[in-house]
Amino acid sequence: DAKTTQPNSMESNEEEPVHLPCNHSTISGTDYIHWYRQLPSQGPEYVIHGLTSNVNNRMASLAIAEDRKSSTLILHRATLRDAAVYYCILRNTGNQFYFGTGTSLTVIP
Amino acid sequence: NAGVMQNPRHLVRRRGQEARLRCSPVKGHSHVYWYRQLPEEGLKFMVYLQKENIIDESGMPKERFSAEFPKEGPSILRIQQVVRGDSAAYFCASSEGFGGPADTQYFGPGTRLTVL
Repeated sequence: DAKTTQPNSMESNEEEPVHLPCNHSTISGTDYIHWYRQLPSQGPEYVIHGLTSNVNNRMASLAIAEDRKSSTLILHRATLRDAAVYYCILRNTGNQFYFGTGTSLTVIP
Repeated sequence: NAGVMQNPRHLVRRRGQEARLRCSPVKGHSHVYWYRQLPEEGLKFMVYLQKENIIDESGMPKERFSAEFPKEGPSILRIQQVVRGDSAAYFCASSEGFGGPADTQYFGPGTRLTVL
């Protein structure tokens, strides 16, 4: 699976939107982009995934660049419960997810 | 709907003892994955199992570690003769599909193993 690059940490004020970037310049045409998050002392939690088109669900939105070399996870209104490590993962074939070190999001009250 | 269940949540073992970690997947899921997370690091894949079969154990250490997913009952990750370096959080995930690129894995809360 191709590699992703994310900032180590980001901060956001509570109730403001958060844009979490992910670069994946070596993405292939069949790679899906998955986002998971991990709250402190918990297992990873599925957030959203997509292939080419932007995706929305109750938790977040995923904006995928036209060339697919980058994507952005959008939390529309950050809450304190959104403080977590966010992982951007590419998935093609194989049986596993490759987790990097992710982006640690701090939400400021 | 019950999610992925793992027990125990915390396990303390002395060096040389055995650790047995259990994972019950989401009801109806027949694919189980085990990951290990060392402090301040991301999760690392260990093994992928279907009922009664090991499909991919490429991330599993060659010695002391074994995994099973019997026809009945939970998946078990066994670590024999534990050493301090085995101290980590061990996460189990399950999925309905068999690892296609759109497949979603659902994770349990983890077992935190401490080796004294």
